[in-house]
Amino acid sequence: AQSVTQLDSQVPVFEEAPVELRCNYSSSVSVYLFWYVQYPNQGLQLLLKYLSGSTLVKGINGFEAEFNKSQTSFHLRKPSVHISDTAEYFCAVSGSGGTSYGKLTFGQGTILTVHP
Amino acid sequence: GAGVSQTPSNKVTEKGKYVELRCDPISGHTALYWYRQSLGQGPEFLIYFQGTGAADDSGLPNDRFFAVRPEGSVSTLKIQRTERGDSAVYLCASSLERSPGNTIYFGEGSWLTVV
Repeated sequence: AQSVTQLDSQVPVFEEAPVELRCNYSSSVSVYLFWYVQYPNQGLQLLLKYLSGSTLVKGINGFEAEFNKSQTSFHLRKPSVHISDTAEYFCAVSGSGGTSYGKLTFGQGTILTVHP
Repeated sequence: GAGVSQTPSNKVTEKGKYVELRCDPISGHTALYWYRQSLGQGPEFLIYFQGTGAADDSGLPNDRFFAVRPEGSVSTLKIQRTERGDSAVYLCASSLERSPGNTIYFGEGSWLTVV
């Protein structure tokens, strides 16, 4: 079984400032890691995912995340945010076994609010 | 549109009633997933279909919940004897196959309110 903890429920930031949304996970097996974004009145949209290989993963809209196995973390970063990045962000994990993909365990979400 | 489509978008029902929620996945996607998102929480896995069969229903909370996908495309989530605690957004998602290389696409959800 896996669990995900998003350490901040809300993150306010000014436009053009950098931001980091923190995510820690717990698992007894190897994992795949994901970040999804949910804009108001829209469905979840995949930002990026880590499956294997390079621990630095680049996604859409200028976001990136780094997988740190020793710290069991997968923090999301963006060097300069825009007003349009205001949304709720979810970190998720699944086991890497063939029968586990798609069975995602989500964190509780972090609401990112970008102020002008 | 080409995305995952869910109907109804909103449903208000009385406690004890039966409810059906429909999901139309992206055309050609064989893998289909249902999740439930309660207020202030992240989505929770309910059930996974590969084709017509429910390959993993370990997330269904109890036997009042049931889902079908008779022709391997559209899926219906059925809830019997609804309770106020069933109020949540029910999310459907699909992917081409159940493979890490395939992105999982989510619909906008069906908001269920049990009064």
